[in-house]
Amino acid sequence: SAVISQKPSRDICQRGTSLTIQCQVDSQVTMMFWYRQQPGQSLTLIATANQGSEATYESGFVIDKFPISRPNLTFSTLTVSNMSPEDSSIYLCSVGLGQGLDEQFFGPGTRLTVL
Amino acid sequence: AQKVTQAQTEISVVEKEDVTLDCVYETRDTTYYLFWYKQPPSGELVFLIRRNSFDEQNEISGRYSWNFQKSTSSFNFTITASQVVDSAVYFCALSDEKKSSGDKLTFGTGTRLAVRP
Repeated sequence: SAVISQKPSRDICQRGTSLTIQCQVDSQVTMMFWYRQQPGQSLTLIATANQGSEATYESGFVIDKFPISRPNLTFSTLTVSNMSPEDSSIYLCSVGLGQGLDEQFFGPGTRLTVL
Repeated sequence: AQKVTQAQTEISVVEKEDVTLDCVYETRDTTYYLFWYKQPPSGELVFLIRRNSFDEQNEISGRYSWNFQKSTSSFNFTITASQVVDSAVYFCALSDEKKSSGDKLTFGTGTRLAVRP
């Protein structure tokens, strides 16, 4: 298994500002993923973050809005840029262990409210 | 394209009742994986089970059991003798082994289960 921590756990931000969310894993992992969960909704994958390469974004998500860093095998950041109230969501990072489709472990999430 | 449908938006039961959460999936691939996650009010996602497309054996873990039927593309989840602590949103998810970008999960919309004392 993997233990994942996220910072901050929650934040309230003003429109037009940016917030960087950190994800730390207690072991080296190949794949890290960032998901968004809008209020009362399901989880939607934002991007896949691989160490040493550009993140791969899903349809509807762009690097300018959600820049991602993956400096090593245990850490990643997601920035929510130029925020609007529509960005109010829970942002979760997850990791996949090994080469196969093992269970994905999720962090506790960052609850973001944009005023 | 992959799709996961959880038709039950909310279910309310009385403690000790059995409850089944439905999950129907769509995929064109022969190799895929199905998952169930629990999201309690605290918000974290708790992994419950992973099942690959070649293993249709039903699984039981304590009060939890899963029924995987490829013929109907369903992966239903039953909680026996439900308890108040089972109250949560339950997500079914699907992953495709062939996705070049890794183990992406496609989630259903979730079923909110409320267990009343």
